[in-house]
Amino acid sequence: DAKTTQPNSMESNEEEPVHLPCNHSTISGTDYIHWYRQLPSQGPEYVIHGLTSNVNNRMASLAIAEDRKSSTLILHRATLRDAAVYYCIGSPGGYQKVTFGIGTKLQVIP
Amino acid sequence: ETGVTQSPTHLIKTRGQQVTLRCSSQSGHNTVSWYQQALGQGPQFIFQYYREEENGRGNFPPRFSGLQFPNYSSELNVNALELDDSALYLCASSLFDRDNSPLHFGNGTRLTVT
Repeated sequence: DAKTTQPNSMESNEEEPVHLPCNHSTISGTDYIHWYRQLPSQGPEYVIHGLTSNVNNRMASLAIAEDRKSSTLILHRATLRDAAVYYCIGSPGGYQKVTFGIGTKLQVIP
Repeated sequence: ETGVTQSPTHLIKTRGQQVTLRCSSQSGHNTVSWYQQALGQGPQFIFQYYREEENGRGNFPPRFSGLQFPNYSSELNVNALELDDSALYLCASSLFDRDNSPLHFGNGTRLTVT
């Protein structure tokens, strides 16, 4: 699985957009980029995933660089409930041997 | 739809003992993956089960074993518990047949080994 690099922590003000970066320079051409988040005392929650094109869903947007070596998760208006650890992973089909890194701890300031 | 449920939520065991953790997958999902999450770390892949067979394993010793049942539920067994096995154990279900089906996690079992 692809090695990913994320900042350990980030801060955002409530109701402002947040851009969470992820570097995945070793990703293969067929690996999807997945984002999950983990709230305290809960299991990780799926946020979004994509291959080459930018993706949008009700939770967030995913912007993937043209060379696929990096991506950015965009939360359009941060709320206090978005405070969590965000994980970026590169995954082939089947999720074999996918391991999460330390992720980015997002703090949302009221 | 019913989500992923894990039992028990908390467990305390003594070093050397054996433990069994249980997971019911989300309805319609045929694959179960198990993860170990130490404090302050991301989840580490233990193994995955599909069609009642192990389908991929991470860097964990053989004393970590599992089962998947015909209804796709699963068990994780750990023998000869060590202090370092203290962690949150997460189960995630997905659809193997659908490429890049997202993982759906339960809230985990917190295991403490003393």
